[in-house]
Amino acid sequence: QVHLVQSGAEVKKPGASVKVSCKASGYTFTSYGISWVRQAPGQGLEWMGWISAYNGNTNYAQKVQGRVTMTTDTSTSTAYMELRSLRSDDTAVYYCARDSMYPPVYSSRWYGFDYWGQGTLVTVSS
Amino acid sequence: EIVLTQSPGTLSLSPGERATLSCRASQSVTSSYLAWYQQKPGQAPRLLIYGASSRATGIPDRFSGSGSGTDFTLTISRLEPEDFAVYYCQQYGSSPGYSFGQGTKLEIK
Repeated sequence: QVHLVQSGAEVKKPGASVKVSCKASGYTFTSYGISWVRQAPGQGLEWMGWISAYNGNTNYAQKVQGRVTMTTDTSTSTAYMELRSLRSDDTAVYYCARDSMYPPVYSSRWYGFDYWGQGTLVTVSS
Repeated sequence: EIVLTQSPGTLSLSPGERATLSCRASQSVTSSYLAWYQQKPGQAPRLLIYGASSRATGIPDRFSGSGSGTDFTLTISRLEPEDFAVYYCQQYGSSPGYSFGQGTKLEIK
């Protein structure tokens, strides 16, 4: 059974950094990628970026480009998302989701974000 | 950047009725890269449909997806009480990646 288990809630001050983890189990981690999606309180879903667990390639959304770094540790089947220079509008629930190992345009088929973590609330407040 | 616009913003229906949710793209989307998700309060989104019309594993057949180009539809044939939630469409474009619609809230009338 596929599971993505995320780290716990965080409270950070403006200007600080946060690193959220996402531990995968129940599938071959390096055969997929991980996308990160966030949701501000009462708002919709916002895609932040993708990392291939196969080769470490990344693709970040323009909105967070330069402030975000996504990495994986294949020895522990864990993906990480670090966001720097936090602002109050970064307050959100952050989700990891299983994605394809290559960008969809290079995949034989794309199956959507088929499994999600439970979410990690990051609160940015002074 | 492709913008997805979902309509209506809120849909009020009764159990047993048919729901039709729309997702319109600002430019043509490859059908293979169009998905739909359901989200209930306090929960992570759940994949319903990928490739515009393929149901994800375990999704009941009352959920169906259709469309091509710039117009896509999620249909729930007969609403069950557990179907009342927020629904999002999603697309992939090579630049800048993925985007989501703003969501349609399906509420009990």
